[in-house]
Amino acid sequence: EIVLTQSPDFQSVTPKEKVTITCRASQSVVNHIHWWQQKPDQSPKLLIKYVSQSISGVPSRFRGSGSGTDFTLTINSLEAEDAATYYCHQSNGFPQTFGQGTKLEIK
Amino acid sequence: EVKLVESGGGLVQPGGSLTLSCAASGFTFGNYWINWVRRAPGKGLEWVANINEDGSQKFYLDSVKGRCTISRDNAKNSVYLQMNSLRAEDTAVYYCESVGAATWGQGTLVSVSS
Repeated sequence: EIVLTQSPDFQSVTPKEKVTITCRASQSVVNHIHWWQQKPDQSPKLLIKYVSQSISGVPSRFRGSGSGTDFTLTINSLEAEDAATYYCHQSNGFPQTFGQGTKLEIK
Repeated sequence: EVKLVESGGGLVQPGGSLTLSCAASGFTFGNYWINWVRRAPGKGLEWVANINEDGSQKFYLDSVKGRCTISRDNAKNSVYLQMNSLRAEDTAVYYCESVGAATWGQGTLVSVSS
């Protein structure tokens, strides 16, 4: 099983800051990494698929990058509405797996 | 609006069965793989099973293999998860999701308890 380790687990940030969340895979997932955002009492929402592919309706401040085993979700100019838990997800290895989540708190 | 809506969860005794349904709308359902994912109380997200576009490929988490069957009916825009021999450790909120369609349902709760 491919283990995805996110860092940090928690981050308290101020609006307009740039935020970087990393996801490290225990073995290569090629480009099969996706990023989901989950707000309290809501279902996850897909932000980025296949490392860096944008999703219709998702603000352009969300960007994905990386390759192989190391991936990054960058949120440029954070907004208050970005308070949520973020998960990376790999669909290359069997079984598919998810990171443990990174909770962003807005100060 | 692109949407997945799960149903069929409930309280069931150990050893019992349930069939979960996931109804899709707002996108061309037959063009996408669909995953079932669960979250047990206090635990992280766990992939359970998935099925390809025409239902010819199906994959399962080892702990549910032989007890669960995933299927789909593209004419009804629906995917199903039949769950047998349920155990306490299957207690979770079950979601259907699709990366390709960029959507995740709201979940249905399965509780296995006597």
